Amino acid sequence: DTEVTQTPKHLVMGMTNKKSLKCEQHMGHRAMYWYKQKAKKPPELMFVYSYEKLSINESVPSRFSPECPNSSLLNLHLHALQPEDSALYLCASSQVVSNNYNSPLHFGNGTRLTVT
Amino acid sequence: DAKTTQPPSMDCAEGRAANLPCNHSTISGNEYVYWYRQIHSQGPQYIIHGLKNNETNEMASLIITEDRKSSTLILPHATLRDTAVYYCIVRLPSNFGNEKLTFGTGTRLTIIP
Repeated sequence: DTEVTQTPKHLVMGMTNKKSLKCEQHMGHRAMYWYKQKAKKPPELMFVYSYEKLSINESVPSRFSPECPNSSLLNLHLHALQPEDSALYLCASSQVVSNNYNSPLHFGNGTRLTVT
Repeated sequence: DAKTTQPPSMDCAEGRAANLPCNHSTISGNEYVYWYRQIHSQGPQYIIHGLKNNETNEMASLIITEDRKSSTLILPHATLRDTAVYYCIVRLPSNFGNEKLTFGTGTRLTIIP
């Protein structure tokens, strides 16, 4: 079991659809992340939120729109996706700490997205 | 962040110690070594991390060489559930949440019954 919950587990959408992925954690973590993972590849960072504000955007196309409505929730809104966007989308969270320490990331089990 | 080099795959017999090497020859003085693993169809799972000293927890031990240019993750008594991709990552100290945890290609560890 993981302390980061992602819904739905699986999603199939057409290229004209609008859908959203949801991520929730109740560990009091104030940093939240979206990663994308293609088959047999390592996860790739997409976005980082720190204290509910977007702090890192790894040049992700605008058809992916993140949102952090509160400290426990992270959404990823999807619109006009392409078949090559099919992947496992992973959410993670971590404590926000000072420059002298690292806090491990806690990952959810992901949403497997298929774009048709 | 410094890059890491890991063997693409390894096998280990069930019940034996699994020793996974990682080379990070360009690591800087304040970068930590982290290990995560990803079991099939799950998200990555944190295992252990260290800076200079060897570390041990309930999952594994981490041995870092004195020059910090390489490290070894040790799973002392491997079970079939340890079959996974293991990622060695070097990280700078957190900049108040503004950090990029970058995964390399990892080692696919297969535990043989």
